[in-house]
Amino acid sequence: ETGVTQSPTHLIKTRGQQVTLRCSSQSGHNTVSWYQQALGQGPQFIFQYYREEENGRGNFPPRFSGLQFPNYSSELNVNALELDDSALYLCASSQGTSVETQYFGPGTRLLVL
Amino acid sequence: AQKVTQAQTEISVVEKEDVTLDCVYETRDTTYYLFWYKQPPSGELVFLIRRNSFDEQNEISGRYSWNFQKSTSSFNFTITASQVVDSAVYFCALSGDAGGTSYGKLTFGQGTILTVHP
Repeated sequence: ETGVTQSPTHLIKTRGQQVTLRCSSQSGHNTVSWYQQALGQGPQFIFQYYREEENGRGNFPPRFSGLQFPNYSSELNVNALELDDSALYLCASSQGTSVETQYFGPGTRLLVL
Repeated sequence: AQKVTQAQTEISVVEKEDVTLDCVYETRDTTYYLFWYKQPPSGELVFLIRRNSFDEQNEISGRYSWNFQKSTSSFNFTITASQVVDSAVYFCALSGDAGGTSYGKLTFGQGTILTVHP
């Protein structure tokens, strides 16, 4: 069984740029959730995708957007990067939109200069 | 709104000591789900346990045990005979049931950094 994978592992961008992060869900899972984890903090929910549609969103501005593809992989896009966007971005997959356990990938560390 | 509080920011113990990590939660949902995750230095969150609000039985898995007390809104995690490999950040998290505003979304505490010294 393949676990959740994310790419890239690390990324450095400058303020104002745009970034795309990618996530492949665990085999058999059709739901992907994205979280932002600032240094020393707990992860914060960004949004969730189920069957290619957004299925819930946290308190993040519209410049955070996402996609889910027919194979259930997902992208997180962030436009107009700000310094505070520097964080570990975690992707989690689960089976369905119920409260099944979410399994996390290794994350992408984004640094905005 | 949901909230999870892990009052212990950092805990340091010597190997073989027992250690308990505290978690207190707030929710208006009548049905909810509690989780513990471990985050080693590599960054990946590793799932440890899930508990439903209607199941207050405590659970033991090897050296790990969990004490869920609905009356005090607590879900504490104990590691018995700690080992150096237990060193990590531990997060308690909460999710709501269908119909609630937090359905499917995990609300995490701030985490507790556990360091186990040899």
